[in-house]
Amino acid sequence: NAGVTQTPKFRVLKTGQSMTLLCAQDMNHEYMYWYRQDPGMGLRLIHYSVGEGTTAKGEVPDGYNVSRLKKQNFLLGLESAAPSQTSVYFCANRDPNTDTQYFGPGTRLTVL
Amino acid sequence: RKEVEQDPGPFNVPEGATVAFNCTYSNSASQSFFWYRQDCRKEPKLLMSVYSSGNEDGRFTAQLNRASQYISLLIRDSKLSDSATYLCVVTKSPIAGDMRFGAGTRLTVKP
Repeated sequence: NAGVTQTPKFRVLKTGQSMTLLCAQDMNHEYMYWYRQDPGMGLRLIHYSVGEGTTAKGEVPDGYNVSRLKKQNFLLGLESAAPSQTSVYFCANRDPNTDTQYFGPGTRLTVL
Repeated sequence: RKEVEQDPGPFNVPEGATVAFNCTYSNSASQSFFWYRQDCRKEPKLLMSVYSSGNEDGRFTAQLNRASQYISLLIRDSKLSDSATYLCVVTKSPIAGDMRFGAGTRLTVKP
Protein backbone atom coordinates (compact mmCIF):
# COMPACT_ATOMS: atom_id res chain seq x y z
CA ASN A 1 0.00 0.00 0.00
CA ALA A 2 1.30 3.43 -0.95
CA GLY A 3 -0.68 5.22 1.78
CA VAL A 4 -0.70 8.91 0.90
CA THR A 5 1.20 10.12 -2.15
CA GLN A 6 1.82 13.63 -3.48
CA THR A 7 2.87 14.97 -6.84
CA PRO A 8 5.02 16.78 -7.68
CA LYS A 9 7.78 16.52 -5.06
CA PHE A 10 9.42 19.81 -6.06
CA ARG A 11 8.33 22.80 -8.10
CA VAL A 12 9.59 26.28 -8.87
CA LEU A 13 7.09 28.87 -10.05
CA LYS A 14 7.28 32.48 -11.09
CA THR A 15 5.01 35.01 -9.43
CA GLY A 16 1.59 34.92 -11.05
CA GLN A 17 1.83 31.38 -12.42
CA SER A 18 -0.71 28.75 -11.47
CA MET A 19 -0.33 25.11 -10.51
CA THR A 20 -2.16 22.16 -8.98
CA LEU A 21 -0.81 19.81 -6.35
CA LEU A 22 -2.24 16.32 -6.35
CA CYS A 23 -2.76 14.16 -3.28
CA ALA A 24 -3.87 10.55 -3.58
CA GLN A 25 -4.69 7.95 -0.92
CA ASP A 26 -5.37 4.23 -0.99
CA MET A 27 -6.54 4.05 2.63
CA ASN A 28 -10.23 4.84 1.98
CA HIS A 29 -10.42 7.54 4.67
CA GLU A 30 -13.08 10.22 4.36
CA TYR A 31 -11.08 13.07 5.88
CA MET A 32 -8.26 14.68 3.91
CA TYR A 33 -6.22 17.80 4.60
CA TRP A 34 -3.76 20.21 3.05
CA TYR A 35 -1.18 21.88 5.29
CA ARG A 36 1.73 24.19 4.73
CA GLN A 37 4.83 24.10 6.90
CA ASP A 38 7.07 27.11 7.34
CA PRO A 39 10.10 27.49 9.63
CA GLY A 40 9.09 28.28 13.21
CA MET A 41 5.38 28.15 12.38
CA GLY A 42 4.43 24.51 12.57
CA LEU A 43 1.92 22.99 10.20
CA ARG A 44 -0.99 25.24 9.35
CA LEU A 45 -4.22 23.94 7.85
CA ILE A 46 -5.12 25.40 4.45
CA HIS A 47 -8.26 23.47 3.48
CA TYR A 48 -9.78 20.15 4.37
CA SER A 49 -12.47 17.74 3.19
CA VAL A 50 -14.75 15.43 5.13
CA GLY A 51 -15.76 13.42 2.07
CA GLU A 52 -16.15 13.28 -1.68
CA GLY A 53 -17.61 16.52 -3.02
CA THR A 54 -17.03 18.50 0.18
CA THR A 55 -14.37 21.05 1.09
CA ALA A 56 -13.92 23.55 3.91
CA LYS A 57 -11.54 26.36 4.81
CA GLY A 58 -8.82 25.95 7.40
CA GLU A 59 -6.63 28.51 9.15
CA VAL A 60 -4.87 29.97 6.08
CA PRO A 61 -7.09 29.42 2.99
CA ASP A 62 -6.45 32.68 1.11
CA GLY A 63 -4.80 32.24 -2.27
CA TYR A 64 -5.67 28.53 -2.48
CA ASN A 65 -8.54 26.47 -3.82
CA VAL A 66 -9.27 22.77 -3.47
CA SER A 67 -11.41 20.08 -5.00
CA ARG A 68 -12.41 16.57 -3.91
CA LEU A 69 -14.12 15.05 -6.93
CA LYS A 70 -13.15 11.52 -5.95
CA LYS A 71 -12.72 10.09 -2.48
CA GLN A 72 -9.14 9.05 -3.13
CA ASN A 73 -7.91 12.39 -4.50
CA PHE A 74 -7.62 15.86 -3.00
CA LEU A 75 -6.29 18.66 -5.22
CA LEU A 76 -4.78 21.95 -4.06
CA GLY A 77 -4.66 24.80 -6.55
CA LEU A 78 -2.74 28.05 -6.62
CA GLU A 79 -4.35 30.37 -9.17
CA SER A 80 -1.75 33.15 -9.03
CA ALA A 81 1.33 32.19 -7.06
CA ALA A 82 3.02 34.70 -4.74
CA PRO A 83 6.43 34.52 -3.03
CA SER A 84 4.59 34.24 0.33
CA GLN A 85 3.38 30.83 -0.84
CA THR A 86 6.90 29.44 -0.87
CA SER A 87 6.61 26.57 1.57
CA VAL A 88 6.48 22.81 2.04
CA TYR A 89 2.99 21.47 1.43
CA PHE A 90 1.78 18.30 3.10
CA CYS A 91 -1.34 16.35 2.38
CA ALA A 92 -2.80 14.04 5.00
CA ASN A 93 -5.77 11.84 5.70
CA ARG A 94 -7.25 10.93 9.06
CA ASP A 95 -8.43 7.70 10.59
CA PRO A 96 -11.64 8.72 12.44
CA ASN A 97 -11.36 5.76 14.82
CA THR A 98 -7.96 6.76 16.20
CA ASP A 99 -7.65 10.42 15.08
CA THR A 100 -4.28 9.46 13.58
CA GLN A 101 -3.20 11.50 10.57
CA TYR A 102 -1.13 9.92 7.80
CA PHE A 103 0.94 12.33 5.76
CA GLY A 104 2.24 12.31 2.25
CA PRO A 105 5.95 12.98 1.59
CA GLY A 106 5.41 16.68 0.89
CA THR A 107 5.84 19.08 -2.01
CA ARG A 108 8.54 21.74 -1.82
CA LEU A 109 7.32 24.81 -3.66
CA THR A 110 9.39 27.90 -4.39
CA VAL A 111 7.77 30.99 -5.87
CA LEU A 112 10.24 33.49 -7.36
CA ARG B 1 -0.79 33.58 21.57
CA LYS B 2 -0.35 30.35 19.63
CA GLU B 3 -2.87 27.62 20.35
CA VAL B 4 -0.11 25.06 20.84
CA GLU B 5 3.33 26.10 22.07
CA GLN B 6 6.55 24.17 22.31
CA ASP B 7 10.11 25.03 23.24
CA PRO B 8 11.86 24.93 19.83
CA GLY B 9 15.15 23.75 21.35
CA PRO B 10 17.47 22.52 20.08
CA PHE B 11 18.03 19.94 22.76
CA ASN B 12 21.48 18.41 22.37
CA VAL B 13 21.96 15.34 24.55
CA PRO B 14 24.44 12.46 24.71
CA GLU B 15 23.45 8.90 23.93
CA GLY B 16 21.81 7.26 26.92
CA ALA B 17 20.49 10.49 28.38
CA THR B 18 16.93 11.09 29.47
CA VAL B 19 15.23 14.10 27.92
CA ALA B 20 11.79 15.62 28.39
CA PHE B 21 9.72 17.99 26.26
CA ASN B 22 6.66 19.95 27.27
CA CYS B 23 3.86 21.37 25.17
CA THR B 24 1.17 23.78 26.33
CA TYR B 25 -2.22 24.30 24.70
CA SER B 26 -4.67 27.15 25.10
CA ASN B 27 -8.04 25.58 24.33
CA SER B 28 -9.47 23.89 27.40
CA ALA B 29 -12.00 22.03 25.21
CA SER B 30 -9.20 20.02 23.57
CA GLN B 31 -9.85 16.32 23.78
CA SER B 32 -7.18 14.37 21.91
CA PHE B 33 -3.44 14.74 22.16
CA PHE B 34 -0.57 13.30 20.20
CA TRP B 35 3.16 13.38 19.68
CA TYR B 36 4.39 13.16 16.10
CA ARG B 37 7.97 12.74 14.99
CA GLN B 38 9.38 14.48 11.94
CA ASP B 39 12.77 13.65 10.48
CA CYS B 40 14.65 16.26 8.49
CA ARG B 41 12.91 16.96 5.17
CA LYS B 42 10.39 14.16 5.76
CA GLU B 43 6.73 14.00 6.63
CA PRO B 44 5.44 13.85 10.22
CA LYS B 45 4.63 10.41 11.57
CA LEU B 46 2.65 9.47 14.64
CA LEU B 47 4.88 8.61 17.58
CA MET B 48 2.19 8.06 20.18
CA SER B 49 -1.18 9.19 21.41
CA VAL B 50 -1.41 10.75 24.87
CA TYR B 51 -4.01 9.37 27.23
CA SER B 52 -5.40 10.99 30.36
CA SER B 53 -3.79 8.41 32.62
CA GLY B 54 -0.43 8.68 30.89
CA ASN B 55 1.02 5.99 28.68
CA GLU B 56 4.29 4.35 27.86
CA ASP B 57 5.68 2.80 24.70
CA GLY B 58 9.10 1.32 25.25
CA ARG B 59 11.50 4.16 26.05
CA PHE B 60 8.83 6.81 25.48
CA THR B 61 6.39 8.06 28.12
CA ALA B 62 3.65 10.60 27.45
CA GLN B 63 1.64 12.43 30.08
CA LEU B 64 -1.29 14.83 30.08
CA ASN B 65 -2.06 17.48 32.67
CA ARG B 66 -5.50 18.90 31.88
CA ALA B 67 -5.55 21.27 34.83
CA SER B 68 -2.40 23.04 33.64
CA GLN B 69 -3.11 22.37 29.96
CA TYR B 70 0.14 20.74 28.98
CA ILE B 71 1.40 17.43 27.70
CA SER B 72 4.87 16.01 28.04
CA LEU B 73 7.10 13.48 26.32
CA LEU B 74 9.91 11.70 28.15
CA ILE B 75 12.56 9.77 26.24
CA ARG B 76 14.78 7.46 28.26
CA ASP B 77 18.09 5.96 27.15
CA SER B 78 18.30 8.23 24.08
CA LYS B 79 19.52 6.69 20.84
CA LEU B 80 21.19 8.41 17.89
CA SER B 81 18.10 7.43 15.90
CA ASP B 82 15.89 9.53 18.19
CA SER B 83 17.34 12.69 16.60
CA ALA B 84 14.34 14.40 15.02
CA THR B 85 11.80 17.14 15.58
CA TYR B 86 8.94 16.24 17.88
CA LEU B 87 5.57 17.84 17.15
CA CYS B 88 2.81 18.25 19.69
CA VAL B 89 -0.71 17.94 18.23
CA VAL B 90 -3.98 18.87 19.88
CA THR B 91 -7.49 18.29 18.57
CA LYS B 92 -11.12 18.75 19.59
CA SER B 93 -12.33 15.48 18.08
CA PRO B 94 -14.52 14.66 16.27
CA ILE B 95 -14.47 18.02 14.50
CA ALA B 96 -12.64 17.39 11.23
CA GLY B 97 -10.59 20.51 10.76
CA ASP B 98 -9.54 21.25 14.28
CA MET B 99 -6.08 19.68 14.64
CA ARG B 100 -3.48 22.16 15.76
CA PHE B 101 0.25 21.53 15.56
CA GLY B 102 3.02 22.97 17.64
CA ALA B 103 6.08 24.25 15.80
CA GLY B 104 8.13 21.36 17.13
CA THR B 105 11.06 20.69 19.44
CA ARG B 106 14.30 19.68 17.81
CA LEU B 107 16.33 16.93 19.44
CA THR B 108 19.88 15.92 18.53
CA VAL B 109 21.37 12.90 20.24
CA LYS B 110 25.16 12.81 20.03
CA PRO B 111 27.58 9.90 20.43
